[in-house]
Amino acid sequence: DAGVIQSPRHEVTEMGQEVTLRCKPISGHNSLFWYRQTMMRGLELLIYFNNNVPIDDSGMPEDRFSAKMPNASFSTLKIQPSEPRDSAVYFCASRPGDQYSNQPQHFGDGTRLSIL
Amino acid sequence: AQKITQTQPGMFVQEKEAVTLDCTYDTSDQSYGLFWYKQPSSGEMIFLIYQGSYDEQNATEGRYSLNFQKARKSANLVISASQLGDSAMYFCAMRDRGFGGATNKLIFGTGTLLAVQP
Repeated sequence: DAGVIQSPRHEVTEMGQEVTLRCKPISGHNSLFWYRQTMMRGLELLIYFNNNVPIDDSGMPEDRFSAKMPNASFSTLKIQPSEPRDSAVYFCASRPGDQYSNQPQHFGDGTRLSIL
Repeated sequence: AQKITQTQPGMFVQEKEAVTLDCTYDTSDQSYGLFWYKQPSSGEMIFLIYQGSYDEQNATEGRYSLNFQKARKSANLVISASQLGDSAMYFCAMRDRGFGGATNKLIFGTGTLLAVQP
């Protein structure tokens, strides 16, 4: 079975540009998570979708960040305008079941984002 | 607030030896789940093992086992017969239900970097 697929794997862009990260969850998984990993803050949740509906976006840093899940097989995380402090590895993860599920989250390979 | 603590920033182990990676947690929930993930230098996050708070037996998955001591709030990962490919960062994580129990996100410890020496 295909795992969680993220694109691009690497992104280097200049400050002020719009950045769009993409994620295809595992088929049949109805929970989707976006995490950010930095040396300073470790792994932190940005937003959580269940059945394509955003449930918890309290981790989204500010209005420059937005996420969508138009259908069960696709999600985007957008940063506009980007800033150097947004440089990080962004992970998408998916999991079967609802918010009470004990199933593990399966992570994509991540997008390494560098904002110059 | 729930919290995961990994006190070992780095560990060395000799190939074929066993190693224990420490993890302690803090929660007021009665029902919770604990996870271990491996992050090799290539960067992906790989799920290793899960322990539920009501599970009576310690979880095992191949060479991985979890030493779960509920009273001590610890969930240490034991890797038996270490291999060179086990060199990686290891994260302990807990299911966090979030405000109102709606989220079920993972909160992570700071990780332990394991180096397996030949």
